[in-house]
Amino acid sequence: NAGVTQTPKFRVLKTGQSMTLLCAQDMNHEYMYWYRQDPGMGLRLIHYSVGEGTTAKGEVPDGYNVSRLKKQNFLLGLESAAPSQTSVYFCASSRDLTGGETQYFGPGTRLLVL
Amino acid sequence: AQSVTQPDIHITVSEGASLELRCNYSYGATPYLFWYVQSPGQGLQLLLKYFSGDTLVQGIKGFEAEFKRSQSSFNLRKPSVHWSDAAEYFCAVGYNNNDMRFGAGTRLTVKP
Repeated sequence: NAGVTQTPKFRVLKTGQSMTLLCAQDMNHEYMYWYRQDPGMGLRLIHYSVGEGTTAKGEVPDGYNVSRLKKQNFLLGLESAAPSQTSVYFCASSRDLTGGETQYFGPGTRLLVL
Repeated sequence: AQSVTQPDIHITVSEGASLELRCNYSYGATPYLFWYVQSPGQGLQLLLKYFSGDTLVQGIKGFEAEFKRSQSSFNLRKPSVHWSDAAEYFCAVGYNNNDMRFGAGTRLTVKP
C-alpha cells in the first residue's frame, strides 16, 4: 500500500515548455486534489476531481489543466510553463469531500521554471 | 474573507522544552480545523483535527490542540519536544476538502 505517489520528484523546465505531473493513489479514493506550495503562502488548491472523468477549478487554476481518466490517477498539465509556476506541487486524495475526511498527501514535485 | 494566520514563521526550542504553535482563523461558522506536519522532502501528514465536542484534541506523536471559539484560535502544543519534531507545521481550516485554507506554516527548529 503505497498511498499517494507523485512523479517526477524534481523537474527543471524552460519558459514555454510543457510537462505533465502524475499522481497515483491506491486507496480507491474518489476525490483527488492538486495543490501548489509557495514560500510564505501555505498550500493553495489548483484543481480537484470528484471522480473519474470529472474535474473542477480550485483557487488558482490559471495556467494548468488536469485530467482524471482513471480513478487512481490525476494528472496536472502545464501547457506553457512560466517562471511564476516555479513551486512545489502536492497531490492529495480523500474518501469524501467533507472536511471531516482526511486528505492524504503525496511527497511533492519540485518544479523550477527558468 | 476566509483566512488562516500563523503568526510565527520560525520558532526555535530546546529539546525537552514545551512547544506552542499559534493559529488564528477568520471564518463564518466554526469550520473543521486541522494541524499538519511536513518533514523535509515529505508530504503533509495529519496530526489532528477538530470539528465539535471536547475543545482539547489529542493527536499523533504526543501533540494536542485547543480550540478557543472566543479567540478564533486553534493552537498546537506539545509538553516536551523531541529532535525528530523539527519540521514545518501547517494549520488548515475549511468546511470541505475543496475549500481548505492553509496557513503559511511555522518552521520548528529543535536545539540539542
